[in-house]
Amino acid sequence: GAVVSQHPSWVICKSGTSVKIECRSLDFQATTMFWYRQFPKQSLMLMATSNEGSKATYEQGVEKDKFLINHASLTLSTLTVTSAHPEDSSFYICSAGPGTANTEAFFGQGTRLTVV
Amino acid sequence: GDSVTQMEGPVTLSEEAFLTINCTYTATGYPSLFWYVQYPGEGLQLLLKATKADDKGSNKGFEATYRKETTSFHLEKGSVQVSDSAVYFCALSETGNQFYFGTGTSLTVIP
Repeated sequence: GAVVSQHPSWVICKSGTSVKIECRSLDFQATTMFWYRQFPKQSLMLMATSNEGSKATYEQGVEKDKFLINHASLTLSTLTVTSAHPEDSSFYICSAGPGTANTEAFFGQGTRLTVV
Repeated sequence: GDSVTQMEGPVTLSEEAFLTINCTYTATGYPSLFWYVQYPGEGLQLLLKATKADDKGSNKGFEATYRKETTSFHLEKGSVQVSDSAVYFCALSETGNQFYFGTGTSLTVIP
């Protein structure tokens, strides 16, 4: 079946540095990918919709300058957390799907980000 | 807008007990409904889904029926095992791409 690969699975970084997370669709093309964030013991909240070849669409309350999204090809979207702070520590997960009717998206393995 | 309301946990059950996790939804259109499971330290895995009213999704002994009249999609399992310990998320999607998740229910099954 379709697979979405996310990398890295975990990362620890220092405050003030930037971290890039990659999301790849391995056997299908995805014009749209989604980025979610999950805080401890909370649900997944949609952060932004990544659109191939155009600007990402951010949900209310998500800082676009802090969470940079690039969707340069039909199989790759990247999320860069810029100038990371401890409050950005979270579990980030992407999803992508063929986008056909009744075919759900597939989720990456997630990235555990810890900012120290 | 679309939303999902899910029974809060945590839930602790003895092995072989019956499990129900309630889920209700609000949607503007005709969504597909899903249950995802998240094991410790892992991402989301699709457990089951239903795409239209009265459909029943089932997998690994878990079942959920899409009830349009009550806007519900409750998850059930007749006999839980220790290996079922995880967090369960109810979700809906109208497009198959963008999802709306419930808050998740943590299940712990003790021997």
